[in-house]
Amino acid sequence: DAKTTQPTSMDCAEGRAANLPCNHSTISGNEYVYWYRQIHSQGPQYIIHGLKNNETNEMASLIITEDRKSSTLILPHATLRDTAVYYCIVRVATRNQFYFGTGTSLTVIP
Amino acid sequence: DGGITQSPKYLFRKEGQNVTLSCEQNLNHDAMYWYRQDPGQGLRLIYYSQIVNDFQKGDIAEGYSVSREKKESFPLTVTSAQKNPTAFYLCASSTRRGSMNTEAFFGQGTRLTVV
Repeated sequence: DAKTTQPTSMDCAEGRAANLPCNHSTISGNEYVYWYRQIHSQGPQYIIHGLKNNETNEMASLIITEDRKSSTLILPHATLRDTAVYYCIVRVATRNQFYFGTGTSLTVIP
Repeated sequence: DGGITQSPKYLFRKEGQNVTLSCEQNLNHDAMYWYRQDPGQGLRLIYYSQIVNDFQKGDIAEGYSVSREKKESFPLTVTSAQKNPTAFYLCASSTRRGSMNTEAFFGQGTRLTVV
């Protein structure tokens, strides 16, 4: 599976949009981009995933560049509860493994 | 409620003892996984199972064993051969739609401390 690169940490003001970038320059055509987050000492929580098109759900939006080499997770109105480590993962749909890197530690500031 | 349950949340064992971590899911998922997480690190795959009575090693399987006798259950045994067993252990499951594997759902983890 392709590797991902994320910033180690980011801050965001409460109420503002949080934009978390992810580079996956070696992504293949059949690899999906997944985003998870992990609040301290809990299991990771699924947020969103996509292949080519931008995706939106009740939690977030996922913007994938046209060449698919990078993506951005957008939390539209960050709250203190969004403080967590966010993982960007690329994964082949037919394989049953999810590979997690070290993610981005997002701190939402009051 | 449907979900994935790990027990216990905290576990203490003496060095040299085997210990088994429980993972149960009632989501009717075919695939189940075990991950290990060390402080400040991402998750590393220990074992995964795509179907009952079948499982494969992940990246760090040495010192661990699993079984998959039932669809709902995927217990992990940390053996005395595991050199650094103290860690946070996470279980996950996922299903398939057609040829696609869907997102994985995680349990709340078991924190194992070996003294």
